[in-house]
Amino acid sequence: DVKVTQSSRYLVKRTGEKVFLECVQDMDHENMFWYRQDPGLGLRLIYFSYDVKMKEKGDIPEGYSVSREKKERFSLILESASTNQTSMYLCASSLQTSGYSYEQYFGPGTRLTVT
Amino acid sequence: AQRVTQPEKLLSVFKGAPVELKCNYSYSGSPELFWYVQYSRQRLQLLLRHISRESIKGFTADLNKGETSFHLKKPFAQEEDSAMYYCARAGGATNKLIFGTGTLLAVQP
Repeated sequence: DVKVTQSSRYLVKRTGEKVFLECVQDMDHENMFWYRQDPGLGLRLIYFSYDVKMKEKGDIPEGYSVSREKKERFSLILESASTNQTSMYLCASSLQTSGYSYEQYFGPGTRLTVT
Repeated sequence: AQRVTQPEKLLSVFKGAPVELKCNYSYSGSPELFWYVQYSRQRLQLLLRHISRESIKGFTADLNKGETSFHLKKPFAQEEDSAMYYCARAGGATNKLIFGTGTLLAVQP
C-alpha cells in the first residue's frame, strides 16, 4: 500500500509566523503535489514537483514556497502566515509517466488555522 | 484554460434511489477523466477512471465527448455512498490533475 503521511493533522499558528508542512511518501514516486481544499472551491493546486529539487507553480502559489531535497519528502512553506491561508492542506504523490496519467495518492491532510 | 465543472454542491437522495453526479469538462482533445471520493474522516482516494471502463462499488461513469461530460451514476444509492465526490481531468503533459469543486452526496435512510 502506498503511504503518504503528513506531519500534523491539526495546526494552529499566529499571523506572521513561518509555517512548515511536511509530506513523506514511501513508494518512490517522482511526482508530489500540494493542494488546499476549501468548501465550494474544491482542490486547488499550490505547487508540484516532478523530481528532487524541481518545482513548478500551480494555480495559487502566492504566499507559499516549497522544498524537495529528497525524493520522498516535499515540504510546503508559508513564509508569513495570514488568516486567508486557514485551510485544509493535502499532499499527494504519483508515478511519473508520459501519456497516461497515474493515480494520485493523498495524505490525510493538515487542517491549518491561522489566528 | 482547462476546466472541470460540477454544478451541484449538494445532492441529497433516499436510499435505493438512482444517483447521478454531474461533471462537465472543457473540450481539449482526448481528456483523461477521473472520479475521486472522500468519505468522512478518510483521505481522498481514486474511485474510478474513464480509461478503465470499470464499475467500482456499483458506480459507473461514461465519457460523452459530444456533451463533454463524465457523469457518475449508480442505480441504487446506499447510505455508505455518502461522501464528497470530485471529478478531475489530467492536465496535459505534466501529470497534474485539475479538480472540480466537488459534490457532497447525502444518502438519506
